[in-house]
Amino acid sequence: QVQLVQSGAEVKKPGASVKVSCKASGYTFTSHYMHWVRQAPGQGLEWMGVINSNDGRTTDAQKFQGRIIMTRDTSTSTVYMELSSLTSEDTAVYYCARDSSSSRVWWFDPWGQGTLVIVSS
Amino acid sequence: SSELTQDPVVSVALGQTVRITCQGDSLRNFYASWYQQKPGQAPALVIYGKNNRPSGIPDRFSASNSGNTASLTITGAQAEDEADYYCKSRDSSANSWSWVFGGGTKLTVL
Repeated sequence: QVQLVQSGAEVKKPGASVKVSCKASGYTFTSHYMHWVRQAPGQGLEWMGVINSNDGRTTDAQKFQGRIIMTRDTSTSTVYMELSSLTSEDTAVYYCARDSSSSRVWWFDPWGQGTLVIVSS
Repeated sequence: SSELTQDPVVSVALGQTVRITCQGDSLRNFYASWYQQKPGQAPALVIYGKNNRPSGIPDRFSASNSGNTASLTITGAQAEDEADYYCKSRDSSANSWSWVFGGGTKLTVL
């Protein structure tokens, strides 16, 4: 079955960077884009960016431009999201989600299990 | 960038019908997809496009669209439907290749 498995929880100090991985299985990795979404404690979902798993091109949400790097490794069917210059406001659960699309609609399915990132001094 | 607006809290009596709405300009150009999130779990897709359900989603979940509003309807709500629901759409701002979520609706089944 299609599955996304993310790396484990991280605790980082302010100013540091974090790199989260998302390993895909059960489908042709290069056939689907992958999105990153985060959720701060008690808050809603926030779209961060998307990577084309085939050619590696990325698009970031304006809020994260300059701080986020998304990459992929086709040999291991894994995408990575690195967020730098962390502050306490980056404390959140980070999700990867596989993209599918049809006429005028995009949907995210499945989602990874989430990776908790805590930023604390 | 576009915004999607949802009612923060909605309640429904067990077995009754409830509609959760999502409003935004991007919905005039693109369809929404809807996600259910239960406490401590990752979001899960429940409906996308005109009215498409992934396998495993009960047919009591349905979608409709009109103008700038997308709706998720649960016909005969069950206790297990109590969750947060989020709509999502592609951003329709000029030359934008980005996506936006609604703020979420907490559904309580009474």
